[in-house]
Amino acid sequence: GDSVTQMEGPVTLSEEAFLTINCTYTATGYPSLFWYVQYPGEGLQLLLKATKADDKGSNKGFEATYRKETTSFHLEKGSVQVSDSAVYFCALSGPIQGAQKLVFGQGTRLTINP
Amino acid sequence: KAGVTQTPRYLIKTRGQQVTLSCSPISGHRSVSWYQQTPGQGLQFLFEYFSETQRNKGNFPGRFSGRQFSNSRSEMNVSTLELGDSALYLCASSTGGADTQYFGPGTRLTVL
Repeated sequence: GDSVTQMEGPVTLSEEAFLTINCTYTATGYPSLFWYVQYPGEGLQLLLKATKADDKGSNKGFEATYRKETTSFHLEKGSVQVSDSAVYFCALSGPIQGAQKLVFGQGTRLTINP
Repeated sequence: KAGVTQTPRYLIKTRGQQVTLSCSPISGHRSVSWYQQTPGQGLQFLFEYFSETQRNKGNFPGRFSGRQFSNSRSEMNVSTLELGDSALYLCASSTGGADTQYFGPGTRLTVL
């Protein structure tokens, strides 16, 4: 079945550092890809998404590009802030399993130190 | 527009009991999906309802069930609770199709 593999955490960076969180996927067909963020004690918030190959999703300084040839959707940010500390989830939804069934990676906990 | 709301936010039950969780979607959204989040298994899809019909189902035992009402509000029921059912239960709503899902804050269930 479809699956998502994320970079193992936790990740700890200093403020203004460059961030990359790796995400690769296995899917039948052409899935949509997402990054969600979860702050302590809260639900998931959509950070960005891409629905077809070579699309770039971006939001709040975060970016990710849908790479079909490497089946990847890595999350990047040029300069992180303390407020970016959270758990980040890569996810996919596909036409085979149903567009409303999200398959998540295991999550990556990010801590930014001032 | 108000977001997805879930009630209650916290719940403590004992083994063998049953529990019902509620989810009110964003106005106009007809699809509601439920997910279980645990430290060991991560986020797992339970089921999705669209216009009062279950449209998709994950790999959970029959103790987990749900329903959706005509106003799109959804309930999830877990019968004969087990310790392993302790989790954060998240619901998400969307217009359906390939639209983005918006998540509620979750219900934290603890089974003692």
